[in-house]
Amino acid sequence: GIQVEQSPPDLILQEGANSTLRCNFSDSVNNLQWFHQNPWGQLINLFYIPSGTKQNGRLSATTVATERYSLLYISSSQTTDSGVYFCAVERDDSWGKFQFGAGTQVVVTP
Amino acid sequence: DAGVIQSPRHEVTEMGQEVTLRCKPISGHNSLFWYRQTMMRGLELLIYFNNNVPIDDSGMPEDRFSAKMPNASFSTLKIQPSEPRDSAVYFCASSPIAWSKKGYEQYFGPGTRLTVT
Repeated sequence: GIQVEQSPPDLILQEGANSTLRCNFSDSVNNLQWFHQNPWGQLINLFYIPSGTKQNGRLSATTVATERYSLLYISSSQTTDSGVYFCAVERDDSWGKFQFGAGTQVVVTP
Repeated sequence: DAGVIQSPRHEVTEMGQEVTLRCKPISGHNSLFWYRQTMMRGLELLIYFNNNVPIDDSGMPEDRFSAKMPNASFSTLKIQPSEPRDSAVYFCASSPIAWSKKGYEQYFGPGTRLTVT
């Protein structure tokens, strides 16, 4: 199956700092999503981004499909950004079979 | 929109008992996915349906696990008999896209935290 690697595994930020999370994948994909799992366990959609760049408030994401990676940018971090960020991909020839990365645990301190 | 609804939110049961988890997808969505999350294995896809038909159940861990989708607005995941190693958070997700189409998002429910003692 497709391999999905996220880095770094853990990140501690001071409120107001910026950060970049990375997702590498081993095969061509037709679907890539970023999720935030908040401290209550809810998985929240951040971006559907199989290619290109999107922005939503303080968050933005870029996927370079040809080089098999995606980046999630958090700017001016807030304590509510704490949680685990997951990247999930669906391989080009495997409809429906999403593979999640192990996630990046983010802690934003006041 | 109510989002994906799962019940119960928490379930504690004894080893050997039958457990049934329930999911109501977002209205109009025709694909439904069941996932399991554990510390050791992360988020794993168990099974997914399209138009109420199971498409791939290769992620179902054992014969003790079964899933059904009798209609477009309801799905169940059953574990019989349950074992302590089944303890996990079980998520249901739905998507508005049909089989083989590209470009869709999955929307997750709040999950069911299952503890088997």
